[in-house]
Amino acid sequence: DAMVIQNPRYQVTQFGKPVTLSCSQTLNHNVMYWYQQKSSQAPKLLFHYYDKDFNNEADTPDNFQSRRPNTSFCFLDIRSPGLGDAAMYLCATSRGIGGVDGYTFGSGTRLTVV
Amino acid sequence: EDQVTQSPEALRLQEGESSSLNCSYTVSGLRGLFWYRQDPGKGPEFLFTLYSAGEEKEKERLKATLTKKESFLHITAPKPEDSATYLCAVQADGGAQKLVFGQGTRLTINP
Repeated sequence: DAMVIQNPRYQVTQFGKPVTLSCSQTLNHNVMYWYQQKSSQAPKLLFHYYDKDFNNEADTPDNFQSRRPNTSFCFLDIRSPGLGDAAMYLCATSRGIGGVDGYTFGSGTRLTVV
Repeated sequence: EDQVTQSPEALRLQEGESSSLNCSYTVSGLRGLFWYRQDPGKGPEFLFTLYSAGEEKEKERLKATLTKKESFLHITAPKPEDSATYLCAVQADGGAQKLVFGQGTRLTINP
């Protein structure tokens, strides 16, 4: 089945130690998104790629970076994780920027910072 | 700024007890309104897209409706497996057309 896969499901990292989360998709969607979701809160868009074009949200901290080496893969890099960065990180894809078919989400990576 | 507010934050029902979840939104021009289901520790699962006031969509025990200011997700005769958080999101016409989510309604169905 075509899907969005996030690895790892759970990630524990030390305060200040760089961490990378990965996302892959078999849907051949040209848009990929990264959302941050804290407990009982709305998912918050960090950035998205339209093909190779990177689009950062204005309030996304500089501590968060992303890479998309090809259509199938996208990475979220957190350069110096703080305790406030503990959250569920969701990767999503859509066909075209409008995404009127809805986004397809992965199962998420739960990040713990110790 | 586009905004989505969902109510109630949490809802507990008995099996078979029908109810509705509310999603109020403000958006410059609505391209689409989306409903998602999210189980604990998982990513959101797409349910419906609504495009214009008066539109309705159904899937099993769920029916979504849309007006110019809000959407309702009606749950008829729910079962315990309907327990989840239900997220509403809007997409504005023009601009980046990104999805803006509400905080969700956590629904619990007791057997």
